[in-house]
Amino acid sequence: GAGVSQTPSNKVTEKGKYVELRCDPISGHTALYWYRQSLGQGPEFLIYFQGTGAADDSGLPNDRFFAVRPEGSVSTLKIQRTERGDSAVYLCASSQGLAGGDTQYFGPGTRLTVL
Amino acid sequence: GNSVTQMEGPVTLSEEAFLTINCTYTATGYPSLFWYVQYPGEGLQLLLKATKADDKGSNKGFEATYRKETTSFHLEKGSVQVSDSAVYFCALRIQGAQKLVFGQGTRLTINP
Repeated sequence: GAGVSQTPSNKVTEKGKYVELRCDPISGHTALYWYRQSLGQGPEFLIYFQGTGAADDSGLPNDRFFAVRPEGSVSTLKIQRTERGDSAVYLCASSQGLAGGDTQYFGPGTRLTVL
Repeated sequence: GNSVTQMEGPVTLSEEAFLTINCTYTATGYPSLFWYVQYPGEGLQLLLKATKADDKGSNKGFEATYRKETTSFHLEKGSVQVSDSAVYFCALRIQGAQKLVFGQGTRLTINP
């Protein structure tokens, strides 16, 4: 079946602009995660959804970052007033949402460049 | 806090060489441990995992054993192939949590 998909694959924007990044999880997966990967680093957790609600948003760096998942499937990560330091690859993952944790399947990522 | 430290890269080996990529962790409680791999142009994929002490995860000829006494989860393969060239990430998940905590990654290049 189809894996996790993310759009766009690349996004170039100017400092101060607003961006939206989209994630389509694997069908039937109730859990969805966003991570951010800076160059030469491992992914860093941003936020985790179980269904429609954000169960853990402890990784969001500040209030410029926000994510939604209104129908429990597709999720959008929103970044306001972008800064050059926001440049990174934004990864989305999904899982079945089993208690005790289960395998997370990652999408190919969106590369965000803030000029 | 919870963290993962990986062997510094990049690592370059010849085909059929023995591979070890070191990974140590700091965590509260008893985490689950993972190795993820990122092949060129592809997304992160789970390679193997272990959920409790002394468990051995294995896949595609790779192995890693969960060592609680040394807080380590080193990745090994007896004979590497050119197709193993990729970036390898060690990660943990704390009991009761869902998020993964990753190491910085180790780039592996295998020459024919």
